[in-house]
Amino acid sequence: GAVVSQHPSRVICKSGTSVKIECRSLDFQATTMFWYRQFPKQSLMLMATSNEGSKATYEQGVEKDKFLINHASLTLSTLTVTSAHPEDSSFYICSASGTSYGYTFGSGTRLTVV
Amino acid sequence: KQEVTQIPAALSVPEGENLVLNCSFTDSAIYNLQWFRQDPGKGLTSLLLIQSSQREQTSGRLNASLDKSSGRSTLYIAASQPGDSATYLCAVLMDSSYKLIFGSGTRLLVRP
Repeated sequence: GAVVSQHPSRVICKSGTSVKIECRSLDFQATTMFWYRQFPKQSLMLMATSNEGSKATYEQGVEKDKFLINHASLTLSTLTVTSAHPEDSSFYICSASGTSYGYTFGSGTRLTVV
Repeated sequence: KQEVTQIPAALSVPEGENLVLNCSFTDSAIYNLQWFRQDPGKGLTSLLLIQSSQREQTSGRLNASLDKSSGRSTLYIAASQPGDSATYLCAVLMDSSYKLIFGSGTRLLVRP
């Protein structure tokens, strides 16, 4: 089946630093990838849609300068949280489309900003 | 604006019971509906995907139905097991934007 690898699974960083999260489709080409944010005991909220070779489309209320998305190849998208603050602490999940399996999700990244 | 609702928010049942999780959506212009499982601190595992033209899908002890016109889907779990304990999320894929819109999930606990 389709597999999406997300790395790192956990990261702790100091306030003011930047953190990069990678999302890779391992056995298929993902023309579109999606980035979600999930708060404890809440559902997934779509942050942005990432298309290979073009600029990401951000959802309303999501700061594009804060959450930088790069989709440089058909198998890799990255989310960089810039100048992270404690309120950015959350669970971030990516997903990719490109197969008949529908949308395949990564295993998520727990970001803690201290 | 599409809104997806899941009822109940939490459910605790003894092992062996059959159970039904509900999902409703306000805009019937969907491309498909997907049920996911999420274990604590983990990503999502796809359980069943139902295309808008289909009425149901089955996989093992799981059966999902879709009534697009009434905006409802159910996930039926037969003979529940403690290993089924997780949060179950339904999500609809919109025809117009190809975005997945998630419900808030049902937290299931199956007691041994």
